[in-house]
Amino acid sequence: DTAVSQTPKYLVTQMGNDKSIKCEQNLGHDTMYWYKQDSKKFLKIMFSYNNKELIINETVPNRFSPKSPDKAHLNLHINSLELGDSAVYFCASSPTGTGIGYTFGSGTRLTVV
Amino acid sequence: GQNIDQPTEMTATEGAIVQINCTYQTSGFNGLFWYQQHAGEAPTFLSYNVLDGLEEKGRFSSFLSRSKGYSYLLLKELQMKDSASYLCAVRLTTGGGNKLTFGTGTQLKVEL
Repeated sequence: DTAVSQTPKYLVTQMGNDKSIKCEQNLGHDTMYWYKQDSKKFLKIMFSYNNKELIINETVPNRFSPKSPDKAHLNLHINSLELGDSAVYFCASSPTGTGIGYTFGSGTRLTVV
Repeated sequence: GQNIDQPTEMTATEGAIVQINCTYQTSGFNGLFWYQQHAGEAPTFLSYNVLDGLEEKGRFSSFLSRSKGYSYLLLKELQMKDSASYLCAVRLTTGGGNKLTFGTGTQLKVEL
């Protein structure tokens, strides 16, 4: 079974639309993250949630709103999509305070046209 | 600010050994990770160092020197399937929790 699953895998949408990406993990991890990977393959953290509480919010436009209904789920809603939002978005999870690496989902390739 | 540097590209021959270096300048250091990412796929965890020294795991080894802000990933007996991007990531402890900050990655090409 997939450890960190995100849907959809591909998303093509027009500028100005609102879209959501869903993420679920079945690893029992306490902390979940959203990362953005741009066209130059640079992975940058956007948000981190620990047990449903937002703990990291990296200077991300407020058009991006994460929501964590429980510690196994972290969704990302994006309003008023812009061309520059085109990227691959990765969800990840990790247990708190250990040397176990983050486990990443397979990514959502968002293309804004 | 945080700064993590890796070479952009490297090429090596099948069966050989390659060393990918990573230097970092950060505050709140709490461990260094190496990830492998094949094109179009998610990053997968390779290794973790929090203390100085060498960690060996099969064909892969990773070294850390905290005083020098330096790490390397060593890949032995290279195989074609090792062609991928290798990401160095530093875990930082901030007021809000831990986060992984990634370097820009080293694209490794393994040739016959």
